[in-house]
Amino acid sequence: DAGVIQSPRHEVTEMGQEVTLRCKPISGHDYLFWYRQTMMRGLELLIYFNNNVPIDDSGMPEDRFSAKMPNASFSTLKIQPSEPRDSAVYFCASSWKSGTSGIYEQYFGPGTRLTVT
Amino acid sequence: GESVGLHLPTLSVQEGDNSIINCAYSNSASDYFIWYKQESGKGPQFIIDIRSNMDKRQGQRVTVLLNKTVKHLSLQIAATQPGDSAVYFCAESNYGQNFVFGPGTRLSVLP
Repeated sequence: DAGVIQSPRHEVTEMGQEVTLRCKPISGHDYLFWYRQTMMRGLELLIYFNNNVPIDDSGMPEDRFSAKMPNASFSTLKIQPSEPRDSAVYFCASSWKSGTSGIYEQYFGPGTRLTVT
Repeated sequence: GESVGLHLPTLSVQEGDNSIINCAYSNSASDYFIWYKQESGKGPQFIIDIRSNMDKRQGQRVTVLLNKTVKHLSLQIAATQPGDSAVYFCAESNYGQNFVFGPGTRLSVLP
């Protein structure tokens, strides 16, 4: 398996523009997580899905952020309109319930580095 | 991927020595804990996890200890190698919800 795939790897956009980040989870995983990592706040969970259904979106900063998972192999995180303070690395992770070693073994993608100018 | 901030606590160890990385968690209701390793330019990588009904769990060269009384988690790495140099995060969760990550510790392995 290629692991969790994220695109684009780097995104530079101007304030006010719409940004869409994409994620393809590992096949067979039924949980998908979106995280944001910044120097100031560290790694934060934004939202996660189980079987394509959003379970907890309490980490989504505000209404400018939205996430969808139309099917088991694809998810998007959209920011509209983007602001400079949204600059961060955004990670997608997927997992499945492991009956032996733990509840979740999350596998992270390489991240998308977003810069909003 | 980008590791967190300029002011991460740093642990420097000699190659071959054992490393102990500590983490204090905040929620006494947390029942599941994970350690991650993040190398420069990459996403976090799962190392080992532990449920709250255990106080110790061992993996390959790594051991996680959980002390629920003082809400403390530690990661022990045996015979530390240069490839272990990275930022290490602990994360706590309440049955798979509300994952909260610690700020991270940078491990530097000296030759």
